[in-house]
Amino acid sequence: GAVVSQHPSRVICKSGTSVKIECRSLDFQATTMFWYRQFPKQSLMLMATSNEGSKATYEQGVEKDKFLINHASLTLSTLTVTSAHPEDSSFYICSAETETYEQYFGPGTRLTVT
Amino acid sequence: GDSVTQMEGPVTLSEEAFLTINCTYTATGYPSLFWYVQYPGEGLQLLLKATKADDKGSNKGFEATYRKETTSFHLEKGSVQVSDSAVYFCALQNSGYSTLTFGKGTMLLVSP
Repeated sequence: GAVVSQHPSRVICKSGTSVKIECRSLDFQATTMFWYRQFPKQSLMLMATSNEGSKATYEQGVEKDKFLINHASLTLSTLTVTSAHPEDSSFYICSAETETYEQYFGPGTRLTVT
Repeated sequence: GDSVTQMEGPVTLSEEAFLTINCTYTATGYPSLFWYVQYPGEGLQLLLKATKADDKGSNKGFEATYRKETTSFHLEKGSVQVSDSAVYFCALQNSGYSTLTFGKGTMLLVSP
């Protein structure tokens, strides 16, 4: 089956620094990837849609200058949280879409900003 | 707009009990419906799906039937195990669109 990986699985960073999260589709090519944020005991909130070779489409209320998304290849999308603050601490999950529009999810990245 | 409503949890059951987690949806068009499962500290895994009315999705003993007349996609399992303890998300994907709309999730806790 389709496998999506994320790296790192956990990261702790100091307030004001930036952190990059990678999302890779391991055995298929994904023109489209999605980035979600999940708060404790809550559902997934779609942050942005990442399209290979073009700019990401951000959902309303998501700061595109703070959450930089790059989809440089058909198997890799990155999310960079710039100038992170404690309120950015969250669980970030990516998904990658197959040619048949099925989404496969990564295992998630736990970000803690101190 | 599209929306998914799930029963609130946690749902607490003893091992081998029957499980039902209710899910109803509102959507324009003819959506595909999904159940995802999230184990503690992990991402989401697709549990089952149905793409049209009256389809039944099934996997690992779980079942859900796409009911267009009641706009529902309830998740059922005849005999739960401790290892089924997780959060279950109902979701829809409208035809022609990539994005998924998720319910708020229902936590299932199964005790021995």
